[in-house]
Amino acid sequence: KAGVTQTPRYLIKTRGQQVTLSCSPISGHRSVSWYQQTPGQGLQFLFEYFSETQRNKGNFPGRFSGRQFSNSRSEMNVSTLELGDSALYLCASSTTGGPDTQYFGPGTRLTVL
Amino acid sequence: AQSVTQPDIHITVSEGASLELRCNYSYGATPYLFWYVQSPGQGLQLLLKYFSGDTLVQGIKGFEAEFKRSQSSFNLRKPSVHWSDAAEYFCAVGNDKIIFGKGTRLHILP
Repeated sequence: KAGVTQTPRYLIKTRGQQVTLSCSPISGHRSVSWYQQTPGQGLQFLFEYFSETQRNKGNFPGRFSGRQFSNSRSEMNVSTLELGDSALYLCASSTTGGPDTQYFGPGTRLTVL
Repeated sequence: AQSVTQPDIHITVSEGASLELRCNYSYGATPYLFWYVQSPGQGLQLLLKYFSGDTLVQGIKGFEAEFKRSQSSFNLRKPSVHWSDAAEYFCAVGNDKIIFGKGTRLHILP
């Protein structure tokens, strides 16, 4: 069974631009969670989608948004990029979400210049 | 407030030596508990998890962890480390949202 895939793997943007990251979960998984990983703040939960609905949200500004499609693929969008948004963005999928075992993708490395 | 503390940012052990990585948490109720490992440039891989039952949990790659409710701890152990165990280890807890510790980077001396 294929794992979680994230595209693109690397991305360079400039301040003020917007970016969209994509995550394809493991087949049959309906929950997708997004995390931001930075050296200073560590791994921080962004949001979780389950069956196309946002079920949980972390403490991030409204510039960070996401959505999930009927095939469970998810996208994350960051508008008006700031230097501090440079991070590894990780996506994780699970069958039901919550404390269920999450399987992580390799991440998208975003660099904001 | 909910939090996870991994007090050791870096740990260095010799190959073949035993290992213990510490994790303490603060949470309203007994949460679900996880240990993940991350190799450079990779995503996170689940080593083991605790939901309920036996407080000594066996995981992959020869790792185990013990849940101690009285100490709010979930320490990870391995009796004999291999050079390939060098990586960053994350303790995580949660019931709906998962909270991660800041990680412990493990270095292995040959």
